[in-house]
Amino acid sequence: DTGVSQNPRHKITKRGQNVTFRCDPISEHNRLYWYRQTLGQGPEFLTYFQNEAQLEKSRLLSDRFSAERPKGSFSTLEIQRTEQGDSAMYLCASSLGVKGNEQFFGPGTRLTVL
Amino acid sequence: QKEVEQDPGPLSVPEGAIVSLNCTYSNSAFQYFMWYRQYSRKGPELLMYTYSSGNKEDGRFTAQVDKSSKYISLFIRDSQPSDSATYLCAMGGSNYKLTFGKGTLLTVNP
Repeated sequence: DTGVSQNPRHKITKRGQNVTFRCDPISEHNRLYWYRQTLGQGPEFLTYFQNEAQLEKSRLLSDRFSAERPKGSFSTLEIQRTEQGDSAMYLCASSLGVKGNEQFFGPGTRLTVL
Repeated sequence: QKEVEQDPGPLSVPEGAIVSLNCTYSNSAFQYFMWYRQYSRKGPELLMYTYSSGNKEDGRFTAQVDKSSKYISLFIRDSQPSDSATYLCAMGGSNYKLTFGKGTLLTVNP
């Protein structure tokens, strides 16, 4: 499978715990994006990387959220001290070069905070 | 006013019908227009990508963009039960941040 992959697919955690999600983009795609989607809404932009550089962060991304993309390959999104409002689907997408808006999404990680 | 407004649906049609899905937008900086299909509890799947006004056809799907009216549409011909999903419009510009509509839930009844 050469598409975007995300792990885990589901995560259930208790309020206050830290969680980390991983995204593996399509190989050779230099841009990687994180979005969050809640029930009945479209995905909302969180942050994006061009190679290993994090170029933009949404104000939705509070200080409890951090994302990395070491060596410009896979990316991780960590949420510290989770809150019930963090429950959502976290989606990763990747794109190549000048067609940056042609973004291909992974299956998502569904987070439930109890 | 939200940057992207999408007809909320839900939409229920018989198999074989022509389906029209629509979005309007307010941000003139949007240059690229996408339609994604999302099945329940899955990630969005890119269906159509265009950057110019006019029509783009791919099989049973036609994407239409009218930049002067800030209006985009997706038409599905000969709709099938397998087309039942949520359809999301998305728009982007030079900063590569996509802005999505809320989605329209489509059900095609056999």
